[in-house]
Amino acid sequence: EDQVTQSPEALRLQEGESSSLNCSYTVSGLRGLFWYRQDPGKGPEFLFTLYSAGEEKEKERLKATLTKKESFLHITAPKPEDSATYLCAVQADSSASKIIFGSGTRLSIRP
Amino acid sequence: EPEVTQTPSHQVTQMGQEVILRCVPISNHLYFYWYRQILGQKVEFLVSFYNNEISEKSEIFDDQFSVERPDGSNFTLKIRSTKLEDSAMYFCASSEVFLNTGELFFGEGSRLTVL
Repeated sequence: EDQVTQSPEALRLQEGESSSLNCSYTVSGLRGLFWYRQDPGKGPEFLFTLYSAGEEKEKERLKATLTKKESFLHITAPKPEDSATYLCAVQADSSASKIIFGSGTRLSIRP
Repeated sequence: EPEVTQTPSHQVTQMGQEVILRCVPISNHLYFYWYRQILGQKVEFLVSFYNNEISEKSEIFDDQFSVERPDGSNFTLKIRSTKLEDSAMYFCASSEVFLNTGELFFGEGSRLTVL
């Protein structure tokens, strides 16, 4: 069964304190791994797609990386506006039209 | 910036009643999806829709659920006879191409409360 596990569940950082969020996945043939951001009461907002091990993508203070078993979302010098839940999701070869989400990491940045 | 719009934002219904949730996807998008999120749980796939038919559906999407694109702009999710466990946030999403990039555009959701 395809699965996505994210850790930690919650992370509190001081403004400027860099850290990483982890996403471990088990999938029967990875077509793509995705990161989304979700603010309270809103729908997920797309951040990145990664297709193959070794690939990296960057956007402002965020950088996503991918290995054969996991992905990391690195956040460098975060600001309070980066506070949100970050969702990892995968698309499997066996199921082309859906993505499977993890439970998310709730990130809180204190000023 | 184009966006996916959903109505209603919140609906309260009695168990056993029919509910229709409405979505207006982004105008040039061809692929449409419904996801749901029970409070405190994962975002779960319900159904994908393309060319006026269901492409894929999950085990959650049983005979009580149906989807329709009644005109060129709306995409609806109907729950025929609601149960308490249907209480959740329902998200509509759309994509321009067939999910290759993983970039789904989500609406803000419709919160369904079944009493």
